Amino acid sequence: GQQLNQSPQSMFIQEGEDVSMNCTSSSIFNTWLWYKQDPGEGPVLLIALYKAGELTSNGRLTAQFGITRKDSFLNISASIPSDVGIYFCAGQLSGANTGNQFYFGTGTSLTVIP
Amino acid sequence: GAGVSQSPSNKVTEKGKDVELRCDPISGHTALYWYRQSLGQGLEFLIYFQGNSAPDKSGLPSDRFSAERTGGSVSTLTIQRTQQEDSAVYLCASTPGLDHFLREQYFGPGTRLTVT
Repeated sequence: GQQLNQSPQSMFIQEGEDVSMNCTSSSIFNTWLWYKQDPGEGPVLLIALYKAGELTSNGRLTAQFGITRKDSFLNISASIPSDVGIYFCAGQLSGANTGNQFYFGTGTSLTVIP
Repeated sequence: GAGVSQSPSNKVTEKGKDVELRCDPISGHTALYWYRQSLGQGLEFLIYFQGNSAPDKSGLPSDRFSAERTGGSVSTLTIQRTQQEDSAVYLCASTPGLDHFLREQYFGPGTRLTVT
């Protein structure tokens, strides 16, 4: 199956710092989604991206759909303790006969130190 | 409105037994997805439905796994003759549709399956 490379795998940061994580693929995607998952919960959708170059914000979160359509990044500004969790990217392939499934990255575990 | 719900939240079963996992999608959502998440791992696609049809079953790990959806709403994932490697969290998600701008997936809380 498709591989989404998500990095970094884990991050330990001080409260107030900015955070950046990204996903890359060898294939072209037409949709990128970013999720946050807390322990024992299902992933919660943070941001959806549908166009190459699109930059979308949701509060302190900003995500971009890469121009090449093979990557996406998520930034969190001024981190707070409740940002702790695992962040996943998910992408959907572009092109006919590629199906409608989403491929998920392996996640970035974020720890915020007060 | 109500989100995606899944039941049971936890299931412990003995190896060799069959289990059924249920998903209630958001009302009006036509597409429904099943994923499996092992401890500390990302999400593994299993199957999706558009309406009651399953165009893509490619992710089902073996013929012990099956799923159905009735009335364009509730879906059931069945695992027959469970094995210990089936232990995982099974997540369900629904989307308003499959058109380009309707593909935002909303997840349920998951069912944690433990096979002893």
